[in-house]
Amino acid sequence: KQEVTQIPAALSVPEGENLVLNCSFTDSAIYNLQWFRQDPGKGLTSLLLIQSSQREQTSGRLNASLDKSSGRSTLYIAASQPGDSATYLCAVPSNDYKLSFGAGTTVTVRA
Amino acid sequence: SAVISQKPSRDICQRGTSLTIQCQVDSQVTMMFWYRQQPGQSLTLIATANQGSEATYESGFVIDKFPISRPNLTFSTLTVSNMSPEDSSIYLCSVAGGGRSYNEQFFGPGTRLTVL
Repeated sequence: KQEVTQIPAALSVPEGENLVLNCSFTDSAIYNLQWFRQDPGKGLTSLLLIQSSQREQTSGRLNASLDKSSGRSTLYIAASQPGDSATYLCAVPSNDYKLSFGAGTTVTVRA
Repeated sequence: SAVISQKPSRDICQRGTSLTIQCQVDSQVTMMFWYRQQPGQSLTLIATANQGSEATYESGFVIDKFPISRPNLTFSTLTVSNMSPEDSSIYLCSVAGGGRSYNEQFFGPGTRLTVL
């Protein structure tokens, strides 16, 4: 069974600092990996999807890397802003699209 | 990306009652799922909603407690039956297998349920 771990559980940084969020998974035979953002009491917003054949995916200030062989993905958020404060979740699908989620990293960006 | 709506967005219910949550997608999708997120926890998959047949439930979830319907490729309902305070959670539907982003999964805004 796929196990997904996210470190750290929480992170607090001053505005402008770069953020580094880590995700690891136990079964490297993945189809893709998805990063989500969740605001308190809300649904999930898809940030980035990295296919298993890709090493990296970028969207604006967000960059996600994927190293399948070591079972790791990293989400980088450049020049953080208070609006980036949220919980970030990574998830890996099984062959029938069912997602296994990490516990999330809760980010606070201080103005 | 798919646009997903859920109704109701939140509700407060009495124990022993049932609540039906609706999930509507703006385009046809292959897969629809229902997740539960208990307070302070990550998401747990309840079941896969199958069009025209019975839902596929994950370990620990049963049809009598969480009946699911999916009459077509854009709509599904989840009922939380005979509720207890332990059912207080955010319930989210998600979809995959539609449009150009076939492998990407999208989530609805969630239904926040409080059971007294």
